[in-house]
Amino acid sequence: DAGVIQSPRHEVTEMGQEVTLRCKPISGHNSLFWYRQTMMRGLELLIYFNNNVPIDDSGMPEDRFSAKMPNASFSTLKIQPSEPRDSAVYFCASSLGADEQYFGPGTRLTVT
Amino acid sequence: RKEVEQDPGPFNVPEGATVAFNCTYSNSASQSFFWYRQDCRKEPKLLMSVYSSGNEDGRFTAQLNRASQYISLLIRDSKLSDSATYLCVVRPSYNTDKLIFGTGTRLQVFP
Repeated sequence: DAGVIQSPRHEVTEMGQEVTLRCKPISGHNSLFWYRQTMMRGLELLIYFNNNVPIDDSGMPEDRFSAKMPNASFSTLKIQPSEPRDSAVYFCASSLGADEQYFGPGTRLTVT
Repeated sequence: RKEVEQDPGPFNVPEGATVAFNCTYSNSASQSFFWYRQDCRKEPKLLMSVYSSGNEDGRFTAQLNRASQYISLLIRDSKLSDSATYLCVVRPSYNTDKLIFGTGTRLQVFP
């Protein structure tokens, strides 16, 4: 079975550019999570969806970040405009309710 | 104060050693507890859930002390393949799927 799929795996962009990260959750899972991981702050939850509806976005840093889940098999995290402090690994995870969360391989973002 | 706190390590131990990691959480209403494992430059993966009565999975034993808001993970007979970062994870309440991750404890097992 395919796990959580994320694209791109690596992204290098210049400050001010728009960045879009993509995620395909495991089929049948109804919860989807976006995390950001840095050395300093560890793994932080940005937002999570349940049945395609955003439930908790309290971790979204600021208005430059937005996330959508138009259907059960696809979600995006957009950063516009990007800044160097956004450099991190962004993980998408999915679960069936409160069961185990399965993580994708992550997108390593570098903003210069 | 962080919601989940762990000693970052690193813990450097020889093969065959027993090593223990501790974790504290600040929210006394927290409902579920887990240990996840993260290999270098990889995604986190569930290692084991932590139950109130304590539980064991092979060489791994997890304990929960609700009164002290403390979780532990014991690894016996360490293997080189146990080298990884161990993340303490807490679900803050029944009515959320949200998980709070600690920053992790790094373990390095040497020959």
